[in-house]
Amino acid sequence: DTGVSQDPRHKITKRGQNVTFRCDPISEHNRLYWYRQTLGQGPEFLTYFQNEAQLEKSRLLSDRFSAERPKGSFSTLEIQRTEQGDSAMYLCASSFWTGGYEQYFGPGTRLTVT
Amino acid sequence: GQQLNQSPQSMFIQEGEDVSMNCTSSSIFNTWLWYKQDPGEGPVLLIALYKAGELTSNGRLTAQFGITRKDSFLNISASIPSDVGIYFCAGQGWAIASKLTFGTGTRLQVTL
Repeated sequence: DTGVSQDPRHKITKRGQNVTFRCDPISEHNRLYWYRQTLGQGPEFLTYFQNEAQLEKSRLLSDRFSAERPKGSFSTLEIQRTEQGDSAMYLCASSFWTGGYEQYFGPGTRLTVT
Repeated sequence: GQQLNQSPQSMFIQEGEDVSMNCTSSSIFNTWLWYKQDPGEGPVLLIALYKAGELTSNGRLTAQFGITRKDSFLNISASIPSDVGIYFCAGQGWAIASKLTFGTGTRLQVTL
């Protein structure tokens, strides 16, 4: 069990550029979640997938954000036309039924928009 | 978005002391979880609670699911320097595998 992995760990981009992040969940975990965390706050939910189906999206996920999980394994989160307010840590988590749906988090991708 | 209320916001304690923190919500949750986060890293799951009134331990950590389903508590006994970090509570709603709603965090610092 290698845990949830995320790539890249850090991303610096200029305002207006597009960025894409990748998340690889724990193998056999069929649920995958994206959260965003700003400095001094707890993570906030963005969206989640069960297998390849995107089942819920937060109002935080504006039209500039899109997430995919094409084969029910890894997922990507794309932000188009980045704004300074998008600067945050983007966290991915995965879960599987083990009597409960505990969510296990990856190390996160730190995005800085200049 | 909604954030649960955690207290205290931060605390300094001496090595060997016991620590208590709590988390309250205006909403009922079906599951409570506690995470620890180190700077620049993702949250690490410490304890999961599934039944109101449940008391669960993980080593020196003990957590309780409040009877009203609107609160949870975490205790750390005999703190050590590696306990330093930010502790987050998280509530999960009734829908299967639903999103987590996190607390505002308790920053713990341990002095020798």
